[in-house]
Amino acid sequence: EAGVAQSPRYKIIEKRQSVAFWCNPISGHATLYWYQQILGQGPKLLIQFQNNGVVDDSQLPKDRFSAERLKGVDSTLKIQPAKLEDSAVYLCASSPGTLQFFGPGTRLTVL
Amino acid sequence: SQQGEEDPQALSIQEGENATMNCSYKTSINNLQWYRQNSGRGLVHLILIRSNEREKHSGRLRVTLDTSKKSSSLLITASRAADTASYFCATTTSSGSARQLTFGSGTQLTVLP
Repeated sequence: EAGVAQSPRYKIIEKRQSVAFWCNPISGHATLYWYQQILGQGPKLLIQFQNNGVVDDSQLPKDRFSAERLKGVDSTLKIQPAKLEDSAVYLCASSPGTLQFFGPGTRLTVL
Repeated sequence: SQQGEEDPQALSIQEGENATMNCSYKTSINNLQWYRQNSGRGLVHLILIRSNEREKHSGRLRVTLDTSKKSSSLLITASRAADTASYFCATTTSSGSARQLTFGSGTQLTVLP
């Protein structure tokens, strides 16, 4: 069974630029999550989707971050404009129920 | 803020030794899970223990849960160099949204050959 796919794996941008990450969850998983993991810390939930609806985006900095999950499958996370403190690994996870399955993440460096 | 805090932050042992990592959390939980993260990779689920369970085993892994102390421990027996990774505990809480994980800060385990 294919796992959660994410792209790109690495991205380097300058502050104030925009960036987008893509996630393809495991087929059939209704729930999709985006996490931000700053170096040396555990992942922090940004947003949770159930099918194509948002369950929780309370920790998403909505002034610069946005996310969508079209047709309840793939998802994109966008940052516009990026700040230095956005440097982190962005993890996508999908779930059929209790357990979450993580993708390899996108490492973002903001210069 | 992080729900769980792991202790120690870093642990270095020799191959064949046992490794014990501890996790403390703040609020009532539905379950507690342990994940492993190899450098540059995503997280891999290791084991889940429910709030009404006290101990669980999976291969070389043993997890305990003490809800009165709001703490859990992960024991890896007969460690191998391949066990080198960061280990995170994560909780789902009674008051939080269903199926949401709150992660601790992790323990970096290094197993020396």
